[in-house]
Amino acid sequence: RKEVEQDPGPFNVPEGATVAFNCTYSNSASQSFFWYRQDCRKEPKLLMSVYSSGNEDGRFTAQLNRASQYISLLIRDSKLSDSATYLCVVTPRGYNFNKFYFGSGTKLNVKP
Amino acid sequence: DVKVTQSSRYLVKRTGEKVFLECVQDMDHENMFWYRQDPGLGLRLIYFSYDVKMKEKGDIPEGYSVSREKKERFSLILESASTNQTSMYLCASSPLAGANEKLFFGSGTQLSVL
Repeated sequence: RKEVEQDPGPFNVPEGATVAFNCTYSNSASQSFFWYRQDCRKEPKLLMSVYSSGNEDGRFTAQLNRASQYISLLIRDSKLSDSATYLCVVTPRGYNFNKFYFGSGTKLNVKP
Repeated sequence: DVKVTQSSRYLVKRTGEKVFLECVQDMDHENMFWYRQDPGLGLRLIYFSYDVKMKEKGDIPEGYSVSREKKERFSLILESASTNQTSMYLCASSPLAGANEKLFFGSGTQLSVL
């Protein structure tokens, strides 16, 4: 079983739509959670960390559900520039170095 | 801002050549990583290092080696390049492990082995 699983999509949505992605993780002792954004042929860049209490950054909201072992990303009022692949990243507890597990990404296409 | 610099953006090599991919970070991070990314497979960890001269195998170390002689520099070596090593290679760094320590990536090297 993969450490982190995501729906690969693509999610095709019109501008202005609200879209949500989920990501499940297998290790219940996972410690830290992130969403990264990756544009075509570019490196992944941190979009936001995911905190236990949930967090919001402008149009983006991330939530963590430890009981069901998933994290979510909600994008409101989608823009064309939101088109990208969104990677879910999880780190396990118990190491003296960070080991990052990546999902294979969810592709989002925002259309005019 | 953290800067992670990879020496080449695009590289074309022949089968059997020895290939060096260099990565330098400027934020005094302890941890450095090499990933490869292939369509449909996502990012896969090749090797990582948590200190100078220390290295640990990732999920797909076969055919690769690494070197970390200085804290800021982490090199990936393909001893004898093969066509199945054609891929995007991403270097990353992060501070010493703690809650919510993030990964910072270089811009990647697209390697083609002919």
